[in-house]
Amino acid sequence: KAGVTQTPRYLIKTRGQQVTLSCSPISGHRSVSWYQQTPGQGLQFLFEYFSETQRNKGNFPGRFSGRQFSNSRSEMNVSTLELGDSALYLCASSFGTYYEQYFGPGTRLTVT
Amino acid sequence: KQEVTQIPAALSVPEGENLVLNCSFTDSAIYNLQWFRQDPGKGLTSLLLIQSSQREQTSGRLNASLDKSSGRSTLYIAASQPGDSATYLCAVIGGSNYKLTFGKGTLLTVNP
Repeated sequence: KAGVTQTPRYLIKTRGQQVTLSCSPISGHRSVSWYQQTPGQGLQFLFEYFSETQRNKGNFPGRFSGRQFSNSRSEMNVSTLELGDSALYLCASSFGTYYEQYFGPGTRLTVT
Repeated sequence: KQEVTQIPAALSVPEGENLVLNCSFTDSAIYNLQWFRQDPGKGLTSLLLIQSSQREQTSGRLNASLDKSSGRSTLYIAASQPGDSATYLCAVIGGSNYKLTFGKGTLLTVNP
């Protein structure tokens, strides 16, 4: 059974640009959650999607957005990038909010 | 607001030693607790999931316990190996908390 995949694995962007990250969940999983990991703040929740609907949202500015498609694949978009957005972005998939979460390898975003 | 604390922040042991990692959380109204392992620059690997009604879970050399009333969990690793070197994270979800709340992790180094 294939695991959670994330693309691209690495990204370098310039301040002010926008970026889109992709996450393909484990087959059969309908919930996809996104997390930001930084050395200072640790792992912080961004949002969760279930069956194409955003169910929960963390405390991040509106520059961070996402969506989920009918095949459960999810994308996360960050507009007007700031230096502080440099982080490892992880997505997790599961059968639902309170089920075991399986994480992908992450996308390393560097903003210069 | 749920807060998760992991002690110690770092631990170095010789190969073959048994060890215990600690995790505490402030809100006992959790649905489940999950232990993860993270290798440098990589995603999270799920190790064990304990439902709130359970006291412990075992997988190979790993044993996780949960005392929900006192807000504590421990991860016991038997006969440690150099390959166990990684950061170990615990996370809780449940109650009014619809997202995984993570501790900062324990960096484990097992010396040959």
